[in-house]
Amino acid sequence: AQSVTQLGSHVSVSEGALVLLRCNYSSSVPPYLFWYVQYPNQGLQLLLKYTTGATLVKGINGFEAEFKKSETSFHLTKPSAHMSDAAEYFCAVSDRGSTLGRLYFGRGTQLTVWP
Amino acid sequence: DVKVTQSSRYLVKRTGEKVFLECVQDMDHENMFWYRQDPGLGLRLIYFSYDVKMKEKGDIPEGYSVSREKKERFSLILESASTNQTSMYLCASSLAVANYGYTFGSGTRLTVV
Repeated sequence: AQSVTQLGSHVSVSEGALVLLRCNYSSSVPPYLFWYVQYPNQGLQLLLKYTTGATLVKGINGFEAEFKKSETSFHLTKPSAHMSDAAEYFCAVSDRGSTLGRLYFGRGTQLTVWP
Repeated sequence: DVKVTQSSRYLVKRTGEKVFLECVQDMDHENMFWYRQDPGLGLRLIYFSYDVKMKEKGDIPEGYSVSREKKERFSLILESASTNQTSMYLCASSLAVANYGYTFGSGTRLTVV
């Protein structure tokens, strides 16, 4: 089974500061990679995903992530944090070639944005 | 707008009750999933289904069962609710391809007293 590690269960930044949320996966074959966001008392919403092609992927709300095969990483960034970015963020992977499409999730990173 | 709809946002049940959590999707997705979410533990897969009447155990199936009689509906059943089943329950659906990802419902926060 896939393993996904999100470094830091809590990250705090000031409004306007860079946001960096870290994600590493364990598979030797690069999987498909996803970032989801969860606002309080809601389900998860897709931010962005990497399947093939350009390794820098842009998503909604100004977020982007870069797939680095050599580092088995898919870190999420945003140049300037906004108060509305405060939420929990989940990294997930799925196996290429799988017809089930099951996602394996990290444990999540809670992002706090200070004014 | 495509949707995954969970029938209840908040639910309070008594210990020992049989509890049904319903999930309906309107996207003609083959796969459906039930997760529970607890602080510090992330999302844990309870059961999933890749076709009508088909089901597979996830990582934490104990104390739960599921039913999928129609493609669009996937029900999670707590046969005899216990306080340790107090949690947020999330339903998701997906196409039968690995690069699609999930569409999630809004979740049901279940409290067992």
